[in-house]
Amino acid sequence: AQSVTQLGSHVSVSEGALVLLRCNYSSSVPPYLFWYVQYPNQGLQLLLKYTSAATLVKGINGFEAEFKKSETSFHLTKPSAHMSDAAEYFCAVSDQGAQKLVFGQGTRLTINP
Amino acid sequence: KAGVTQTPRYLIKTRGQQVTLSCSPISGHRSVSWYQQTPGQGLQFLFEYFSETQRNKGNFPGRFSGRQFSNSRSEMNVSTLELGDSALYLCASSLGARWVEQYFGPGTRLTVT
Repeated sequence: AQSVTQLGSHVSVSEGALVLLRCNYSSSVPPYLFWYVQYPNQGLQLLLKYTSAATLVKGINGFEAEFKKSETSFHLTKPSAHMSDAAEYFCAVSDQGAQKLVFGQGTRLTINP
Repeated sequence: KAGVTQTPRYLIKTRGQQVTLSCSPISGHRSVSWYQQTPGQGLQFLFEYFSETQRNKGNFPGRFSGRQFSNSRSEMNVSTLELGDSALYLCASSLGARWVEQYFGPGTRLTVT
């Protein structure tokens, strides 16, 4: 069965600092990987996705993620944090044969002024 | 193009009652998936419908059911509500191909008392 582990349930960075949110996955087949963001009292918004094309994926709002098969990782980064980035971030993996997402437990990102 | 809409946004029910939640997907999308989000269990897949057929199902008891109509709108039903069913229920729609991302609605917040 596929699974996702997000290291760190809570990450705090200063405004302007690098954001790094970690995600490791377990999958027996090449996975499709996603990062979603959730703002308070809202649904999930797709930040970016990996579907076996380029290993470095660029998403919205300046975020990007790199797929590393050898490390089974798909970490999310942003060079310079903004106050508006404060939210909860979810990494997800999907079975290639199904529209079914398996989510990590989420990482709450706090931005300090 | 309008996004995924869910109704109602908030709902309060009593143990033992049943509830029906509604989801209207993005125009042209034929796949609708449902997820339950709780603080303890995180985001968990309930089921997915494609062209009025349940295509995938998660590990939830039979009290949780769903259906999809010919216009792709979907409903999920929970019978004999339990306190543990209190959650944010998220609906997501997509074109249906296995590699295509899902777009989430704002969710329905269900509270069971």
